[in-house]
Amino acid sequence: SQTIHQWPATLVQPVGSPLSLECTVEGTSNPNLYWYRQAAGRGLQLLFYSVGIGQISSEVPQNLSASRPQDRQFILSSKKLLLSDSGFYLCAWRTGLVNTEAFFGQGTRLTVV
Amino acid sequence: KQEVTQIPAALSVPEGENLVLNCSFTDSAIYNLQWFRQDPGKGLTSLLLIQSSQREQTSGRLNASLDKSSGRSTLYIAASQPGDSATYLCALSNTGKLIFGQGTTLQVKP
Repeated sequence: SQTIHQWPATLVQPVGSPLSLECTVEGTSNPNLYWYRQAAGRGLQLLFYSVGIGQISSEVPQNLSASRPQDRQFILSSKKLLLSDSGFYLCAWRTGLVNTEAFFGQGTRLTVV
Repeated sequence: KQEVTQIPAALSVPEGENLVLNCSFTDSAIYNLQWFRQDPGKGLTSLLLIQSSQREQTSGRLNASLDKSSGRSTLYIAASQPGDSATYLCALSNTGKLIFGQGTTLQVKP
């Protein structure tokens, strides 16, 4: 069966420090991968999605970047965190673009202080 | 641009009631619609997926419907239980992206 792992679960980082959040999927090949952010009391904002290794689409210009070094690995990064980067970051995967179910990881709670 | 709206934003009901959560969207050109549940501080759990050619899906006490012509989907929860308390989100799939509504936070009181 397929599973998705996100880590760390919680993270407290000072302003200006770098960030690296990792997401891996097991039990499937060539998944479509997504990074979402959920700010307190708000909906999910799509940040990046990837349909294959090295293929990254950015939805919102911001202080973050994403990379997909391996088929089932998706990394969210920042060189210098801002206070506004605080939020709940969620990784998701699905097997295709049409009529396929999406599955989410357990999320990373990031607090920038 | 596709917009997804969920009404109400919050709902409180006594245990045992049947209830309906609403999701509306502006562009009927969708691939599918998915309902999720989110418990506080947790990730999203998939509840039901309705493909664009389908009108409804059922899983246990949950029934989701889709009417593309009117731009609406509903999630029906039968015989609600305190364990159903959570935030419920609908998401539309369009050109590979999932577009979410703001969610409805449900509280079921014992």
